[in-house]
Amino acid sequence: GAGVSQTPSNKVTEKGKYVELRCDPISGHTALYWYRQSLGQGPEFLIYFQGTGAADDSGLPNDRFFAVRPEGSVSTLKIQRTERGDSAVYLCASSLVEGAESKFFGPGTRLTVL
Amino acid sequence: QKEVEQDPGPLSVPEGAIVSLNCTYSNSAFQYFMWYRQYSRKGPELLMYTYSSGNKEDGRFTAQVDKSSKYISLFIRDSQPSDSATYLCAMRTSNTGKLIFGQGTTLQVKP
Repeated sequence: GAGVSQTPSNKVTEKGKYVELRCDPISGHTALYWYRQSLGQGPEFLIYFQGTGAADDSGLPNDRFFAVRPEGSVSTLKIQRTERGDSAVYLCASSLVEGAESKFFGPGTRLTVL
Repeated sequence: QKEVEQDPGPLSVPEGAIVSLNCTYSNSAFQYFMWYRQYSRKGPELLMYTYSSGNKEDGRFTAQVDKSSKYISLFIRDSQPSDSATYLCAMRTSNTGKLIFGQGTTLQVKP
């Protein structure tokens, strides 16, 4: 596709459940970023990958959050034992290389934990 | 205190006005400064980026960085209703791709 795609666009789950959010970056982009955006706030950094490896995971709030990018393309953000406070829009972005300023964001996955 | 501070607004201006948006920051190691525009229920899109101090102009948009004051600005000339969106400043140091965003300022341009 031409841009970054994220699935699902919306996810409603119950407290305590496990969820997976998927990001398909722009083809050929080696760097991939996950951010979380709460209502009325700017995006908050979670983790970024350069290739298959996590270059910086300092933004993951706790060990319930985990992300993978096994083949250096698609990435999955996994949240265990979801809590109501996890409700937010989860944004994915990709760039050609790590230092590139042109980061392209996807439309986000809106997660609601009931 | 947040690393990047941005007045959330909302800011309402008439069409054709000059809009000034700004952010302050505390980390003197920030070297790269960006402005993103975000429409409702969309992902942010990059408008401008600047390395270190100085000005950069692109059409109706001008970005300014004053590292001595830890202050960045975005000016929009001849504002249009289509400019109505949330504007996010973002910045990073030289040794990471991780961006730190401001809260975002909501702008409404009235016809």
